[in-house]
Amino acid sequence: QVQLVQSGAEVKKPGASVKVSCKASGYNFSRFGISWVRQAPGQGLEWMGWINADNGNTNYAQNLQGRVTMTTDTSTSTAYMELRSLRSDDTAVYYCARVGVLVPANWCDPWGQGTLVTVSS
Amino acid sequence: QSALTQPASVSGSPGQSITISCTGTSSDVGGYNYVSWYQHHPGKAPKLMIYEVSNRPSGVSNRFSGSKSGNTASLTISGLQAEDEADYYCTSHITSSTLVFGGGTKLTVL
Repeated sequence: QVQLVQSGAEVKKPGASVKVSCKASGYNFSRFGISWVRQAPGQGLEWMGWINADNGNTNYAQNLQGRVTMTTDTSTSTAYMELRSLRSDDTAVYYCARVGVLVPANWCDPWGQGTLVTVSS
Repeated sequence: QSALTQPASVSGSPGQSITISCTGTSSDVGGYNYVSWYQHHPGKAPKLMIYEVSNRPSGVSNRFSGSKSGNTASLTISGLQAEDEADYYCTSHITSSTLVFGGGTKLTVL
C-alpha cells in the first residue's frame, strides 16, 4: 500500500537547523510530488510548500521563503525538508503528504505519521 | 495569504447530519474546483475525505459529501457516528502549486 514514513522527533536550539525525512513506498515516487504541512501546538494546519519529486521544482509558502529547502532523492524514494534559523514558534508537528504534479495544490494523500520538532533553549 | 474561514466548532448527536462551511474568496474557493477536506484525529495523520469539491476517495464512507456555492464550500456528514469526532480542515488551490488551509473545525459528537 502507499505509505509515507517520516523520521523521528527532534529537539533543537534556537538558531539551529532541522532536516526531516519522508520515505515513500508503494508507488512510483517520481510520478508525484510531496507537500509539507505543519501544525503548531493548539493551532491549525499550515501549508509549507511543495516539491516535484522528479525534477525538483519547488514552491514555498511566502512566510518561509529563505528559511526552508525541500529536496528529494529518487534513488531512495525519500523527500527531505530542511528548516533553518529555528525559532520557538517553529515548534510543531511536521507532516509530509503525497500530491499530484499536474496540479500540486489539490489533494494530499496519503500523509506521513508526523515528526515533532521542538525548538527550545 | 489568509486562511480560509471555518467555524471553530460544530456538534451533533449520533445519527444526525452536520455541515461545516469553508469560506474564501473568488481567488481561491470560488475560482477553482480544487477544494479538499481532511479529517484529523489528534496524534494521527490527517486523512483525505473529499477532493475536487465533491469527490470521495476510495474507502471513504458515503456519509461524507462535499459541495460548493460561490466562495463557500461545505462538508456534510450524515448519520453521525462517535468515530466522526475529530478536527476537519478544508483546503483550496490559490495557484497550481500554492495551497491554503482553513482554520479548522472541531466536531463534537454529543
